Amino acid sequence: QVTLRESGPALVKPTQTLTLTCTFSGFSLSTSGMCVSWVRQPPGKALEWLALIDWDDDKYYSTSLKTRLTISKDTSKNQVVLTMTNMDPVDTATYYCARMDYDKGYFQHWGQGTLVTVSS
Amino acid sequence: EIVMTQSPATLSVSPGERATLSCRASQSVSSNLAWYQQKPGQAPRLLIYGASTRATGIPARFSGSGSGTEFTLTISSLQSEDFAVYYCQQYNNWPPVTFGQGTKVEIK
Repeated sequence: QVTLRESGPALVKPTQTLTLTCTFSGFSLSTSGMCVSWVRQPPGKALEWLALIDWDDDKYYSTSLKTRLTISKDTSKNQVVLTMTNMDPVDTATYYCARMDYDKGYFQHWGQGTLVTVSS
Repeated sequence: EIVMTQSPATLSVSPGERATLSCRASQSVSSNLAWYQQKPGQAPRLLIYGASTRATGIPARFSGSGSGTEFTLTISSLQSEDFAVYYCQQYNNWPPVTFGQGTKVEIK
């Protein structure tokens, strides 16, 4: 059974750096074809893809946010970490991690999400 | 970047009726199109991939069609648990993958 769970601060101040961790089970990110992505959703708004890391440690980022994002993995801990620098109130959102198979492109498994509020 | 446009933004439907949701891509995505259902406070759930293939455990009342730039999600007879927001997502030549802005299906 595949599960993913996001963790991180619920509140960050403007200009701070956000660090989120996705802890997963039921698959290994060292297995060929496995990928983990981050997707966010501001309150009442649509989903926005942020970043993806694959089994081969290749990393992909949203064009509009790439200068602020870093994605990494710790295969031994079954974790993927996303950092986002220079947080702003417009970054207030629920942040989801999700699993994707490289040869598919859609997200079969999602975490429950974690709400991050940016406020002073 | 491929832009996905969903219509309508809100669809008011009575239980038992058919709901038809549309998704348009700014350029061809072939059949690389997925649909998700999201209920309040929950993560999205994969309904359809490959434009028309139901994901595991998805009831047959959900069907997808289309290719290229025009796609449709049809719910043949709405049940109470189907009232939710629906998103389309393209994954042609990712990254990036892009989502539509969503269609809310509400009770009429």
